[in-house]
Amino acid sequence: AQTVTQSQPEMSVQEAETVTLSCTYDTSESDYYLFWYKQPPSRQMILVIRQEAYKQQNATENRFSVNFQKAAKSFSLKISDSQLGDAAMYFCAYRRIRAGNMLTFGGGTRLMVKP
Amino acid sequence: EPEVTQTPSHQVTQMGQEVILRCVPISNHLYFYWYRQILGQKVEFLVSFYNNEISEKSEIFDDQFSVERPDGSNFTLKIRSTKLEDSAMYFCASSGTGGAADTQYFGPGTRLTVL
Repeated sequence: AQTVTQSQPEMSVQEAETVTLSCTYDTSESDYYLFWYKQPPSRQMILVIRQEAYKQQNATENRFSVNFQKAAKSFSLKISDSQLGDAAMYFCAYRRIRAGNMLTFGGGTRLMVKP
Repeated sequence: EPEVTQTPSHQVTQMGQEVILRCVPISNHLYFYWYRQILGQKVEFLVSFYNNEISEKSEIFDDQFSVERPDGSNFTLKIRSTKLEDSAMYFCASSGTGGAADTQYFGPGTRLTVL
């Protein structure tokens, strides 16, 4: 079974600074998808970024980028120029390659942004 | 932009009562999911549904739970006899047919409180 681990229960960052959230996972599959979801206080799950394991290039979405290290099974999220609105719970998630497969989530990291 | 909707936003029920949580997935999506999140814990997969049948389910999804797509737009989760431990946020999600469309988009959630 796949597992996803987020070792940082809480992180804080100064507004406009950069922060990196860590995620590791365990799988025997060679192809899969990885995701970062954001959960603000409203508790809705919002997709931040997606990475296909067969792609060597790290995904980027505006201020959000990932550092995907397949051999190390590591998938960290970097948030640049942090904004107050970035404050939320961040969940790393894994999904096998077959369509319709379930997401396996990590335990989450609470990000606080200081003005 | 199309989105997943869920009703009600908050449901309060007495232990032992039946509840039905409703979801309207994104209209051209073919895969539907339910997840739950007990307060302060990680998001857990319950069930996935494709082509009018369950494609995967977790150990949590026991005989007390059922899902249905009663018409072309709604997707429901029924809990037959609620327990105190069913109190949680329930998220519906939907996804397309493959590739980039495999991303699961989440609804805003239904907060279920069992008294």
